[in-house]
Amino acid sequence: EPEVTQTPSHQVTQMGQEVILRCVPISNHLYFYWYRQILGQKVEFLVSFYNNEISEKSEIFDDQFSVERPDGSNFTLKIRSTKLEDSAMYFCASSEEGLAGGPGQFFGPGTRLTVL
Amino acid sequence: GNSVTQMEGPVTLSEEAFLTINCTYTATGYPSLFWYVQYPGEGLQLLLKATKADDKGSNKGFEATYRKETTSFHLEKGSVQVSDSAVYFCALSDRVFGNEKLTFGTGTRLTIIP
Repeated sequence: EPEVTQTPSHQVTQMGQEVILRCVPISNHLYFYWYRQILGQKVEFLVSFYNNEISEKSEIFDDQFSVERPDGSNFTLKIRSTKLEDSAMYFCASSEEGLAGGPGQFFGPGTRLTVL
Repeated sequence: GNSVTQMEGPVTLSEEAFLTINCTYTATGYPSLFWYVQYPGEGLQLLLKATKADDKGSNKGFEATYRKETTSFHLEKGSVQVSDSAVYFCALSDRVFGNEKLTFGTGTRLTIIP
């Protein structure tokens, strides 16, 4: 069964450093998403991406964040200068269609980011 | 804005017990409702969904009914198994074309003991 993969599974970085989280969505999917979950809190939407551009972003997704689909398979989330409060589990997701009520989003296992 | 409130965990039950995990929501318009499950070391998996009032989603013995009058989507299972131990997330999506942004609850950790 096709699945979304994410690398690395755990990333430790120093405050102020740049990190890139990588995701390989399911191959025929067209919509891509990033979510995050700070320990003990809700899973929060960060950004959605379609047709090589951001379709929606949350207020969390400020200028320190960017997303890219550099080739036909990868989807990346970059945090330019990490802060302590960026420590969280980051989930990538993809869907075949974006319509509400569709088959749903498929999630990767997550990357745990720890900022020291 | 949209929000989802679900039952605080953790929840511990014996095998074959009846399970209910409560979920209520606040939304404008007519959201779709979902339950996702996360098994240890894995990503969130769609468990079931409902797209309109009175719809019942079901999968793997789990059920949830979209109740517009009480803005609820409670998850139930008649007889749980040890393999059902996981974290369960209630979620809703906006009916915005081309963007199925999900709003999640905090998750409820369920542990089933033999």
